[in-house]
Amino acid sequence: AQSVAQPEDQVNVAEGNPLTVKCTYSVSGNPYLFWYVQYPNRGLQFLLKYITGDNLVKGSYGFEAEFNKSQTSFHLKKPSALVSDSALYFCAVRKNAGNMLTFGGGTRLMVKP
Amino acid sequence: EPEVTQTPSHQVTQMGQEVILRCVPISNHLYFYWYRQILGQKVEFLVSFYNNEISEKSEIFDDQFSVERPDGSNFTLKIRSTKLEDSAMYFCASSGGLAAYEQYFGPGTRLTVT
Repeated sequence: AQSVAQPEDQVNVAEGNPLTVKCTYSVSGNPYLFWYVQYPNRGLQFLLKYITGDNLVKGSYGFEAEFNKSQTSFHLKKPSALVSDSALYFCAVRKNAGNMLTFGGGTRLMVKP
Repeated sequence: EPEVTQTPSHQVTQMGQEVILRCVPISNHLYFYWYRQILGQKVEFLVSFYNNEISEKSEIFDDQFSVERPDGSNFTLKIRSTKLEDSAMYFCASSGGLAAYEQYFGPGTRLTVT
């Protein structure tokens, strides 16, 4: 069985400061890892993915994530947070064989001016 | 930019009734999915669909549920004899392929069973 843990329900950061949203996963075999963002009354919007290759992947809106196989983590990062980044962030994992995405519980990011 | 659309945005139905949730995936995508999110809980996978048949389904997707691609553009989820616990946000998603392809989600249909 595959699973995702997002240990923080909420992350608070001041505008301009770096942000990190944590994610750890459990899956058999090589993982495909994804981050999605959800704004109020909207669907899940794809941010970035790790499939293979460079452990640091870059995505939309200046976000990046670092894959760490030994720690089974895929933390989302941004060097300088914006108020408009405030939203709900979901980490998801998929086996390299299969369709099913397994999501974490989500982390609410609050960026204060 | 192409996007997944879903109708209706909100559906209210009485317990025991049948509902059909509709989705229009991105036009050149090959794989289609349904997920649901009960209020306050995780997003959960229901089913994936490829080449006009179910390719994978979760334990949640029992005989009460069915999916169909009735024409070249629509993808539907039918829930027979709805129960109170079926109340949730239902998300449709599509992807261009299986390996290494991200899934693109629609805005969701909020189903309320009374």
